[in-house]
Amino acid sequence: DADVTQTPRNRITKTGKRIMLECSQTKGHDRMYWYRQDPGLGLRLIYYSFDVKDINKGEISDGYSVSRQAQAKFSLSLESAIPNQTALYFCATSDKPSGRSSYEQYFGPGTRLTVT
Amino acid sequence: QKEVEQNSGPLSVPEGAIASLNCTYSDRGSQSFFWYRQYSGKSPELIMFIYSNGDKEDGRFTAQLNKASQYVSLLIRDSQPSDSATYLCAVNVNSGYALNFGKGTSLLVTP
Repeated sequence: DADVTQTPRNRITKTGKRIMLECSQTKGHDRMYWYRQDPGLGLRLIYYSFDVKDINKGEISDGYSVSRQAQAKFSLSLESAIPNQTALYFCATSDKPSGRSSYEQYFGPGTRLTVT
Repeated sequence: QKEVEQNSGPLSVPEGAIASLNCTYSDRGSQSFFWYRQYSGKSPELIMFIYSNGDKEDGRFTAQLNKASQYVSLLIRDSQPSDSATYLCAVNVNSGYALNFGKGTSLLVTP
């Protein structure tokens, strides 16, 4: 089974609808992230969480909210979806392996979201 | 804004050749450097990391870091068509914080 899973994998929704993207991980990592990827713009950080009680905004958090329900679960919500939120969304987790000086990030398979 | 710059490409190399991918970064406090490979429509996959100046080799991949020049590169030896993908450079300034990604370089290896 995959270490980081995302649901749904594809979603088409209408403008104004509320939508939730879910991420679950079995890696046991404390740190979790949400990114969006747009052609020509690369990966941009939306929110990140270092543990269940520590949630932080990234560079493009407007229009999004998150919930860290447990160490293993991190959900991203679009309260009122708009067309420019059409993108590929990735969840990631990170850990600092023993002997290493930095955290390495591992990505889920992504959710392709289309807002019409 | 901390910048991570990559040439978008596409970089085209023949099968068996060495592919050289380059990345520059703006923040001199950057500590850790990562290379991810991303196939079209798929998630980024970590392939290399480097923390110290110099070269680091792993199979056909070599990462090179020059902190004085704020430059990190990825060399792929004996390139294969299966190496055709977008390669993302990522930089970590403060340990544990999220990564700052470049926009990626598209690599095409032609048979």
